[in-house]
Amino acid sequence: EDQVTQSPEALRLQEGESSSLNCSYTVSGLRGLFWYRQDPGKGPEFLFTLYSAGEEKEKERLKATLTKKESFLHITAPKPEDSATYLCAVYDGNQFYFGTGTSLTVIP
Amino acid sequence: DTEVTQTPKHLVMGMTNKKSLKCEQHMGHRAMYWYKQKAKKPPELMFVYSYEKLSINESVPSRFSPECPNSSLLNLHLHALQPEDSALYLCASSQEPSGGAYNEQFFGPGTRLTVL
Repeated sequence: EDQVTQSPEALRLQEGESSSLNCSYTVSGLRGLFWYRQDPGKGPEFLFTLYSAGEEKEKERLKATLTKKESFLHITAPKPEDSATYLCAVYDGNQFYFGTGTSLTVIP
Repeated sequence: DTEVTQTPKHLVMGMTNKKSLKCEQHMGHRAMYWYKQKAKKPPELMFVYSYEKLSINESVPSRFSPECPNSSLLNLHLHALQPEDSALYLCASSQEPSGGAYNEQFFGPGTRLTVL
């Protein structure tokens, strides 16, 4: 059973078209939920950590939110340079579980 | 310094070769990790070092041998690999080992390994 599920698998947006990526999880005893950005052939770049439901964090055009069952990564007015794969990972105090990622393409 | 460095960036090796991947961090992190990532897949955990001791080995074949010489360095020794071991190998570090409150993992750029 998958512990972390991300949707959609792929997303194409026009520049400036805001949208949200979803990360749902089934682990109990969440100790942290992490968002990463990964460019092709490179290591994941850390974006945010969320620890408890209701928490929100922002960085430039990105905003991450957390509920008891899922997290959203909102992208406001995206630019082509936001194109990447966005990975979600959860930590239950014992191990990390990565989702399969959402591949985002922003078209100029 | 918030960087994890990895060398080499690319490595091509034959199935009979012995090579090593290196990882270094100077953030004072006490946990270090090796991951393997295939194309269009999430990273798969291989090993975790906590305070320089191996704490997790995710049933990785013995042809992969990790080593943590000190708190800043992590090596992955490779021997008799198979073509299916070709992948991006990622090193990561975090402030606290498993169970701690601060577990953001910071990743290096990876080593692209090709086994012929």
